[in-house]
Amino acid sequence: LAKTTQPISMDSYEGQEVNITCSHNNIATNDYITWYQQFPSQGPRFIIQGYKTKVTNEVASLFIPADRKSSTLSLPRVSLSDTAVYYCLVCSNYGGSQGNLIFGKGTKLSVKP
Amino acid sequence: GAGVSQSPSNKVTEKGKDVELRCDPISGHTALYWYRQSLGQGLEFLIYFQGNSAPDKSGLPSDRFSAERTGGSVSTLTIQRTQQEDSAVYLCASSPSRGAWDTQYFGPGTRLTVL
Repeated sequence: LAKTTQPISMDSYEGQEVNITCSHNNIATNDYITWYQQFPSQGPRFIIQGYKTKVTNEVASLFIPADRKSSTLSLPRVSLSDTAVYYCLVCSNYGGSQGNLIFGKGTKLSVKP
Repeated sequence: GAGVSQSPSNKVTEKGKDVELRCDPISGHTALYWYRQSLGQGLEFLIYFQGNSAPDKSGLPSDRFSAERTGGSVSTLTIQRTQQEDSAVYLCASSPSRGAWDTQYFGPGTRLTVL
C-alpha cells in the first residue's frame, strides 16, 4: 500500500516557479504517480501523471528520479489563480482493491501578489 | 461535453435520518468512485464501481453506508441513520477505463450537514 507524504502548505509569489515534492517510499512496480489540483468548493482536477523520468504538459512538469520513491511537481511562473490544494496520488493499474486510492491531505499552495 | 454532476449540491438533515446522494457520471465512463472529504481533510475513498463487476466497498466506514449503480451509469450513495460525524462533502468521480491510474473526473460534490 503506497502512502504519500507531502508538505502541508507552501507560500509563493506571482511569477515564481513552485516545486512540490511528494514522498512515496513504498511505491510498487505497477504504480503510477498522479497529481490533482483542488480549488475551494470544487472537486479535484487532474494535472499530470507519470511513471518515471520527466513528463511535461501545458500546465506543469513532473520529475521522477530513478528509484521512484519521490516525485516533484513543478509549476512554472505561478499566478494568483494557482492558489489551491495539490494532491499526490500513487496507484496501480491492476485490478483488486481500490482502497489504495489515498489522496492524503495534500499541499495547500498560497500564491501572493 | 457534460461533466460529472451531483445532486443535491447541499443537503441538511437531522441526526438519525436517511439520505440519498446522486451522481451522474460522464457518458461512456465505465468506472465510478465515491469519496468523502471532511473539512480541511484530504479525500477518503469510499467505494468503486467498474462496469458490471462487483463493487469495491473496502472504503465504506460502516454498514450504514451503501451505494448502487444502476445500468452502469447513475449511482446513488445512501447513508442510513445519519450521524453528525457524517457531515462532509461527498465527491463522485468517473473515469473512462478500468485502470485505477486513469484520470478521474470529479463532480462538484454534495455538502452534507447533519444537525
